[in-house]
Amino acid sequence: GAVVSQHPSRVICKSGTSVKIECRSLDFQATTMFWYRQFPKKSLMLMATSNEGSKATYEQGVEKDKFLINHASLTLSTLTVTSAHPEDSSFYICSARPIAGGGAPSYEQYFGPGTRLTVT
Amino acid sequence: GDSVTQMEGPVTLSEEAFLTINCTYTATGYPSLFWYVQYPGEGLQLLLKATKADDKGSNKGFEATYRKETTSFHLEKGSVQVSDSAVYFCALSDEGAGGTSYGKLTFGQGTILTVHP
Repeated sequence: GAVVSQHPSRVICKSGTSVKIECRSLDFQATTMFWYRQFPKKSLMLMATSNEGSKATYEQGVEKDKFLINHASLTLSTLTVTSAHPEDSSFYICSARPIAGGGAPSYEQYFGPGTRLTVT
Repeated sequence: GDSVTQMEGPVTLSEEAFLTINCTYTATGYPSLFWYVQYPGEGLQLLLKATKADDKGSNKGFEATYRKETTSFHLEKGSVQVSDSAVYFCALSDEGAGGTSYGKLTFGQGTILTVHP
């Protein structure tokens, strides 16, 4: 149980285009989802916290107009990288926190397998 | 702000060797502490956790004790296996007692562990 999927697993796009990454909780409902960026040989950096039905909360230094986050349902959050540039190339990881009584411990975060974005 | 510092890697061990990965933290409140593991090509998985001082988290032979006096949460395993090769992340959540941050995690930089037969 408590599986989180991401789609696509890897994507290559041209500079200036937009890319959407989906994060789904497959067997539980999540009121809160988190988006992280992982640089090579470096830690995960929290980009934003997404709560279902409300606007995402972005971490300092993360451009909200560039990284659009939508959390329209209790099982789906999307991250759209708008007007992508080569410096946006990275590994993007989402995590989901179950709602209390939603079939998984609500204290935990469950991570997706990540999406490798390459912007050429 | 909160921060987590892990020992520099990579760490290379022979099978059945003893493992220690050091982790120290800085936090203003009473955080919960976690170790996550990332196997090649997979997402992060929670390995163990401790939510208050002196708690010991354990799983799959790994252990870590929440030491408030030294602000540490070192990961140990008595006898590593080749299958333990992975990246290990120490993390804290400021959603300990009284926290209201929805469980935001602050991660250390990760330590690559390679275990040879």
